[in-house]
Amino acid sequence: QVTLRESGPALVKPTQTLTLTCTFSGFSLSTSRMCVSWIRQTPGKALEWLARIDWDDAKYYSTSLKTRLTISKDTSKNQVVLTLTNMDPVDTATYYCARNYVSGSYYNVGYFQYWGQGTLVTVSS
Amino acid sequence: QSALTQPPSASGSPGQSVTISCTGTSSDVGGNNFVSWYQQYPGKAPKLMIFEVSKRPSGVPDRFSGSKSGNTASLTVSGLQAEDEADYYCSSYAGSNSVFGTGTKVTVL
Repeated sequence: QVTLRESGPALVKPTQTLTLTCTFSGFSLSTSRMCVSWIRQTPGKALEWLARIDWDDAKYYSTSLKTRLTISKDTSKNQVVLTLTNMDPVDTATYYCARNYVSGSYYNVGYFQYWGQGTLVTVSS
Repeated sequence: QSALTQPPSASGSPGQSVTISCTGTSSDVGGNNFVSWYQQYPGKAPKLMIFEVSKRPSGVPDRFSGSKSGNTASLTVSGLQAEDEADYYCSSYAGSNSVFGTGTKVTVL
């Protein structure tokens, strides 16, 4: 059974750095074809893909946010960490981590099969 | 990448069909078949309903179907049921990035 859970601060101040942790079970991020992405959803309900890390440690970032984002993984702890620097009120959102779709020999890094429950982060002074 | 365009709302009576469009560009929706659709209930995480334009993950009812023509993808829900009332989002994967649609709220009348 695959599960993911996001954790991190509920409130951050403008200009601070946000650090979120995704703790997962039911798969290993050292296994070929596995990937974890971070996706956020604003209060207005828009979804935005942020970053992805693959089983081989390849990393990919949203074009619009790549200067502020860093993604990393700790395979031994089954965790993926996302940092977002220089937080602004517009970064207020629910942040999700999600694992890609894998079924038998088929997989695709662009489909999100398993999601965490999300964590709401509010940016306010 | 800009968000894909979806109508804000769609509705239908129980048993009817509703179709949601998702319009992108030749760089995303029109450039490959990596289109997916997600269903989201209030306060819950999205759920994958369709991938690769028209394929259903295990457990998704065959009332849900997808298609694509040019730069526009579509999700059709046939035989609407009360439980289908939710928000729906399309997504396209291209150039190592994913982009989502603006979302459509489906109401079952």
